[in-house]
Amino acid sequence: KQEVTQIPAALSVPEGENLVLNCSFTDSAIYNLQWFRQDPGKGLTSLLLIQSSQREQTSGRLNASLDKSSGRSTLYIAASQPGDSATYLCAVRGAGGSYIPTFGRGTSLIVHP
Amino acid sequence: NAGVMQNPRHLVRRRGQEARLRCSPMKGHSHVYWYRQLPEEGLKFMVYLQKENIIDESGMPKERFSAEFPKEGPSILRIQQVVRGDSAAYFCASSQRQLEADTQYFGPGTRLTVL
Repeated sequence: KQEVTQIPAALSVPEGENLVLNCSFTDSAIYNLQWFRQDPGKGLTSLLLIQSSQREQTSGRLNASLDKSSGRSTLYIAASQPGDSATYLCAVRGAGGSYIPTFGRGTSLIVHP
Repeated sequence: NAGVMQNPRHLVRRRGQEARLRCSPMKGHSHVYWYRQLPEEGLKFMVYLQKENIIDESGMPKERFSAEFPKEGPSILRIQQVVRGDSAAYFCASSQRQLEADTQYFGPGTRLTVL
C-alpha cells in the first residue's frame, strides 16, 4: 500500500527565502506525481505534474524534482512571497494508470513580510 | 469557463439528519471523483463516477454513504444519518478523461459540520 509523507509539516520563513518542501513515497512504481496548493477554506490548485519518466518540472518560481528510485520529490520555491502562504500537498498515482492518487498530509507554509 | 462547482460551501447538520453535497464538473468533463479530508489528515479517495455509472467506490464507507452522477445534473454525495465523525471537508474533482496524464480539477469543497 502506497504511503506518502511530507516533511516538514509546517514551515515559517521570512519573505525572500528560497525553500524546499519534501515528499517521500514508499512504492517507487508510480505513474506520476503532482504538487497542489491548498488555500484555507478553498480547493486544491494543481501546481506541477511530473510523469514517472521525467526528472523535473518548472513553472515560474516553482521547480519540482522527482527521484523515483529513492521515492522522493522536492518542491523548490524561489524568492518566497507572502502570497505563497498556503498548504502544499503532493499526490502520487500508482503505475498502470491508476486513477486513485495517494495524498500526503501537506506542508503548511507561512511566508511573513 | 467555470471550474468545478460545489454547493453548499458550508453545511451544518444535527446527528441523524441527511447531508446532500452537490458537484458540477467542469464543462466537458464526464469523470467525477469525491474525496474527504478529515481534520489533520490528508485527502482520501472515496468514489469515482462517470455519467450514470459508479466506477469505483472502494473508498466509500459501506453504510450511510452513497453517490450518483445522473445523466443530467450534478453529482450528488449523500450521507444518511450523519454522525459527528462525518464532519470533514468533502472535495469533488473532475477530469475530461480517466486520470492518466490529465490533471485533476478540484472544486472549493463543502465543509460539513455535524452537531
